Amino acid sequence: DSGVTQTPKHLITATGQRVTLRCSPRSGDLSVYWYQQSLDQGLQFLIQYYNGEERAKGNILERFSAQQFPDLHSELNLSSLELGDSALYFCASSGQLRSPLHFGNGTRLTVT
Amino acid sequence: ILNVEQSPQSLHVQEGDSTNFTCSFPSSNFYALHWYRWETAKSPEALFVMTLNGDEKKKGQISATLNTKEGYSYLYIKGSQPEDSATYLCAFTTGNQFYFGTGTSLTVIP
Repeated sequence: DSGVTQTPKHLITATGQRVTLRCSPRSGDLSVYWYQQSLDQGLQFLIQYYNGEERAKGNILERFSAQQFPDLHSELNLSSLELGDSALYFCASSGQLRSPLHFGNGTRLTVT
Repeated sequence: ILNVEQSPQSLHVQEGDSTNFTCSFPSSNFYALHWYRWETAKSPEALFVMTLNGDEKKKGQISATLNTKEGYSYLYIKGSQPEDSATYLCAFTTGNQFYFGTGTSLTVIP
């Protein structure tokens, strides 16, 4: 158990809809990272938060947004969903800069 | 966007064989190199975090080496077992973002 909790595990929704993915980092970890894994693709970095502030941005679409709350949990909001947004979305957390990432079990999003 | 390459893309070996994979990364702005093991239907788990040129780390039958000057790391598995079947990911970090390779998928045939 990595200590990182992601909910929900599965999400099925229609095109044009909006969903929110939630992540609770491992106790004590200040950094939260969001990754997307589409079919036959590697892990694509979306965004990182550190102690409530956005730290780095990757290939995140404008339709997507995220935030980290004072209790350090994070939410990834995906709006105007398209079929191509169907993917496995991972959250990971870390402590010190050289610490490894601890991954949640992911949320599988299916857009129909 | 920094390029992290892993080779081979996939590998099938017989139980008991030893094997190795490569991770290539930019040699500038190096902070650390991570290796992760990703089993099907699970989430990636950290194997090693390597920071110094010449670093060598070992965990059971799995070991890794690091060359930051030329920008590569090797992961070795000695005497592969079926339970070693997984995708092995490396990630290069500049101290901020993590840049993942696409992984090497290892299948160990009993």
